[in-house]
Amino acid sequence: QQQVKQSPQSLIVQKGGISIINCAYENTAFDYFPWYQQFPGKGPALLIAIRPDVSEKKEGRFTISFNKSAKQFSLHIMDSQPGDSATYFCAASGRTGNQFYFGTGTSLTVIP
Amino acid sequence: NAGVTQTPKFQVLKTGQSMTLQCAQDMNHEYMSWYRQDPGMGLRLIHYSVGAGITDQGEVPNGYNVSRSTTEDFPLRLLSAAPSQTSVYFCASSTPSGTVAEAFFGQGTRLTVV
Repeated sequence: QQQVKQSPQSLIVQKGGISIINCAYENTAFDYFPWYQQFPGKGPALLIAIRPDVSEKKEGRFTISFNKSAKQFSLHIMDSQPGDSATYFCAASGRTGNQFYFGTGTSLTVIP
Repeated sequence: NAGVTQTPKFQVLKTGQSMTLQCAQDMNHEYMSWYRQDPGMGLRLIHYSVGAGITDQGEVPNGYNVSRSTTEDFPLRLLSAAPSQTSVYFCASSTPSGTVAEAFFGQGTRLTVV
């Protein structure tokens, strides 16, 4: 059973557009929600993360929106660039972050 | 900074063979974990460790063993390889933090079982 559900599976966006990826979870014990970016042949790398005591976190062009009551969170990439083309994973863990549960991934392609 | 180092990068095994995937980190992180990545499945947790001498099972532990004798090393053993274990394996390390519990991943080991 997938602990974290992610959609869409793939996404194509024009350069300068907004990319939006959504995730949902059921386990209310989750207390930390990171997003990872993965390029082909590489390991995932942390992009941005949020804890449920805030509803939004922004770092540069990347924003996480978090809805605790709906148990949903999303990644928004503003002004998407071709260099953003990668696979994005949402994840969730407990407070200590020793076990991560990942979504199934979204392959993002930004067209020049 | 080496970070998390995995060896080998590629491996082909025959069904029934055993092997050990190596993982080492030089960041003095308490936590280490192993994931497998399969198309359409994301990354799934195999085993994890919260410190030397302490390990526990994740979502998909069957067919795999781990041990953690030092803080730096966390090898993953395949006891009797099966084609279903064909996957890309990632090792990660992290440390508890009040704000950000970032997991650092290795480059991965691509394993094919024939």
